Amino acid sequence: EDQVTQSPEALRLQEGESSSLNCSYTVSGLRGLFWYRQDPGKGPEFLFTLYSAGEEKEKERLKATLTKKESFLHITAPKPEDSATYLCAVQADRDDKIIFGKGTRLHILP
Amino acid sequence: GAGVSQSPRYKVTKRGQDVALRCDPISGHVSLYWYRQALGQGPEFLTYFNYEAQQDKSGLPNDRFSAERPEGSISTLTIQRTEQRDSAMYRCASSQESPGTASYYEQYFGPGTRLTVT
Repeated sequence: EDQVTQSPEALRLQEGESSSLNCSYTVSGLRGLFWYRQDPGKGPEFLFTLYSAGEEKEKERLKATLTKKESFLHITAPKPEDSATYLCAVQADRDDKIIFGKGTRLHILP
Repeated sequence: GAGVSQSPRYKVTKRGQDVALRCDPISGHVSLYWYRQALGQGPEFLTYFNYEAQQDKSGLPNDRFSAERPEGSISTLTIQRTEQRDSAMYRCASSQESPGTASYYEQYFGPGTRLTVT
């Protein structure tokens, strides 16, 4: 069964304190791994798609990396406006269903 | 341009009533997904459409749930004989590319419909 596990469930950081969020996945044939950001009361907002191990993508203070078993979302020198829930999702190559993890709630303290 | 819209934003209904939730995707988007999201959880896949064809409905909890997209644009998720356990946020998302062909699956999510069954 396809599965996505995110850790930690919640993370509190001081402004400027870099860290990483983890997404471990089990899928038979990965078509793509996705990272989304979700603010309270809103729908998820797309950040990145990664397709193969070794791939990296960056956007402002965020960098996503992918291995054969997990993905990391690195946050460098975060600011309070980076506070949100970060969701990881995978899509298998045998169908188009997208499986989301439970997310990591990130809180950046000023 | 306009994003994905959903209506109603909030729906309170009595147990046993039927409800219809509407999703209006971004114009021209081929794919449309329905999700259910519980508080503190990630979105849970329900079903998806490619144009007007329902491609996968394996995530629908039971036969009280159905969805349609007759003209390949607006979609309706219908829940018959609602139960309290159906209370949740229902979200839809649309994507420009057709699944299975493109390599880029960015989904644009709507604001959701908060369903409360009393």
